[in-house]
Amino acid sequence: GDSVTQMEGPVTLSEEAFLTINCTYTATGYPSLFWYVQYPGEGLQLLLKATKADDKGSNKGFEATYRKETTSFHLEKGSVQVSDSAVYFCALSDRGSTLGRLYFGRGTQLTVWP
Amino acid sequence: GAGVSQSPSNKVTEKGKDVELRCDPISGHTALYWYRQSLGQGLEFLIYFQGNSAPDKSGLPSDRFSAERTGGSVSTLTIQRTQQEDSAVYLCASSQGPGGHDGELFFGEGSRLTVL
Repeated sequence: GDSVTQMEGPVTLSEEAFLTINCTYTATGYPSLFWYVQYPGEGLQLLLKATKADDKGSNKGFEATYRKETTSFHLEKGSVQVSDSAVYFCALSDRGSTLGRLYFGRGTQLTVWP
Repeated sequence: GAGVSQSPSNKVTEKGKDVELRCDPISGHTALYWYRQSLGQGLEFLIYFQGNSAPDKSGLPSDRFSAERTGGSVSTLTIQRTQQEDSAVYLCASSQGPGGHDGELFFGEGSRLTVL
């Protein structure tokens, strides 16, 4: 079945450090891939997405490239800020399904220190 | 409304009691999802509504869990005879269509359930 595996946290970085959060997936169809972010005290919100192989999603300085050959969608940011402290979730949906259900990873807690 | 609204935000109950959790989606969104977020477990899918029908109930963990949606809008998740393992944050999300394709899911802040 469809599933997502992302690196376990917590991840602790100093401000301006480089961030990578690994995400790999298993899908039987043709998935769309997403990163959602949950800031403290807020609901999950979409950070970026990619709907086909080799697409790059980007937002707020974060990027992730849909790699079909490695079944990966790693999240990167060149210089993190304290305000990026949050929980990050990788997710996929099967475009071949009519249900639109998202499969989420377990989440990675990121803490950025000044 | 402006966003997805869930109530109550916090609920503490005793084992064996029934609880109802409410979700008011964004106006006009036809798709509605319930997820459960347990400590260290990530997000667990529970049920999906398209309009008032539920084409995917596969995530409901037991027959103690049920959900309904009326008028294509508000949804209620009911947990009967609560158990301690039901303690979690219950998240509701909505989208204009089946959100998991190209669309975006909009999440509420969740209802935190604690079963003593």
